[in-house]
Amino acid sequence: AQSVTQLDSQVPVFEEAPVELRCNYSSSVSVYLFWYVQYPNQGLQLLLKYLSGSTLVKGINGFEAEFNKSQTSFHLRKPSVHISDTAEYFCAVCGSGTYKYIFGTGTRLKVLA
Amino acid sequence: ETGVTQTPRHLVMGMTNKKSLKCEQHLGHNAMYWYKQSAKKPLELMFVYNFKEQTENNSVPSRFSPECPNSSHLFLHLHTLQPEDSALYLCASSQDAPDYGYTFGSGTRLTVV
Repeated sequence: AQSVTQLDSQVPVFEEAPVELRCNYSSSVSVYLFWYVQYPNQGLQLLLKYLSGSTLVKGINGFEAEFNKSQTSFHLRKPSVHISDTAEYFCAVCGSGTYKYIFGTGTRLKVLA
Repeated sequence: ETGVTQTPRHLVMGMTNKKSLKCEQHLGHNAMYWYKQSAKKPLELMFVYNFKEQTENNSVPSRFSPECPNSSHLFLHLHTLQPEDSALYLCASSQDAPDYGYTFGSGTRLTVV
């Protein structure tokens, strides 16, 4: 079985500052890892995914994430945030050989002017 | 335009009513999903359909009844709901591979009174 932990429920950050949203997972099998973003009154949109290969994954809107197998983490980063990045961010894991995604509880990123 | 369309966007229903949620995708995906999103909880997978066949029912109460007439359409029939069923119901679709990622609809905000 897989599980996902997003320790921070809310992260306030000033515009143009860097941000890191944390995600840790547990799994007994190899995994695929994802980050999704949800803007108000919308569904979830795929930001980026790690399947295999390079541990640094780049996604849309200037976001990137690094897969760290030893720390079972997949933290999301952006070097300089914009007001428009204010949204909820979800980390998800899918175990190899399954079709079931497990989502974290989400982190609400609030970018302040 | 996300490629997955959900209707209605908002629904208020009494506990004795019967209503249906509709989801439609024309992305050529062959798997479709219903998720429930409640405040401060992880996304809960409710049902999975793969090539129109239900492959997962995640212990969902029988007052929720899914229907998948073809690989482009998915319904969630609701009857005798409870106030705690109030939530955002999200539909998603994907190709038949877990690493593909999901495309989500914008959701139906359901309020049970």
